[in-house]
Amino acid sequence: EDQVTQSPEALRLQEGESSSLNCSYTVSGLRGLFWYRQDPGKGPEFLFTLYSAGEEKEKERLKATLTKKESFLHITAPKPEDSATYLCAVQAQGGSEKLVFGKGTKLTVNP
Amino acid sequence: EAQVTQNPRYLITVTGKKLTVTCSQNMNHEYMSWYRQDPGLGLRQIYYSMNVEVTDKGDVPEGYKVSRKEKRNFPLILESPSPNQTSLYFCASRVTGVGSPLHFGNGTRLTVT
Repeated sequence: EDQVTQSPEALRLQEGESSSLNCSYTVSGLRGLFWYRQDPGKGPEFLFTLYSAGEEKEKERLKATLTKKESFLHITAPKPEDSATYLCAVQAQGGSEKLVFGKGTKLTVNP
Repeated sequence: EAQVTQNPRYLITVTGKKLTVTCSQNMNHEYMSWYRQDPGLGLRQIYYSMNVEVTDKGDVPEGYKVSRKEKRNFPLILESPSPNQTSLYFCASRVTGVGSPLHFGNGTRLTVT
């Protein structure tokens, strides 16, 4: 069964304090790994898709990386507006269109 | 603007009173899906549709129905809501194929008393 585990569940940072969020996955062949940002009471907002080990993608203060077993979302010099829940999801091979989501990491950045 | 639109945003109802949550997308996506999100449980898939007239169960389909008569619309029907269906519901759509992301609506917060 495809599984996604995110850690930590919650992370509190000071403004400017860089850190990383982890997404570990077990899947029968990876078609894609997705990162989303979710603000309270709103729908998840797409950030990145990663396809193969070694791939990296960046957007402003966020950088996502991928290995064969996990992905990291690195946050460099975060600002309070980066506070949100970050979700990871995987799409497995075999023709399935389903995305399996982790439970997310709630990030709080204090000024 | 490309978007997934859900209505209503908030709904309070009583046990047993049938309700429908509408979902519409303007991106011509083949794939549409409904999720519920509960504290500590994350996003769980209720039903999905690969295209018009093609629907299938997700991980938590009990107590729900869906239909896909048109490509853009994918309503979620609760024939006899119960308090354990109190949750935050999201509709999402995507192009089928490798790596295309899901686009989510802004959610419907349902309370069943």
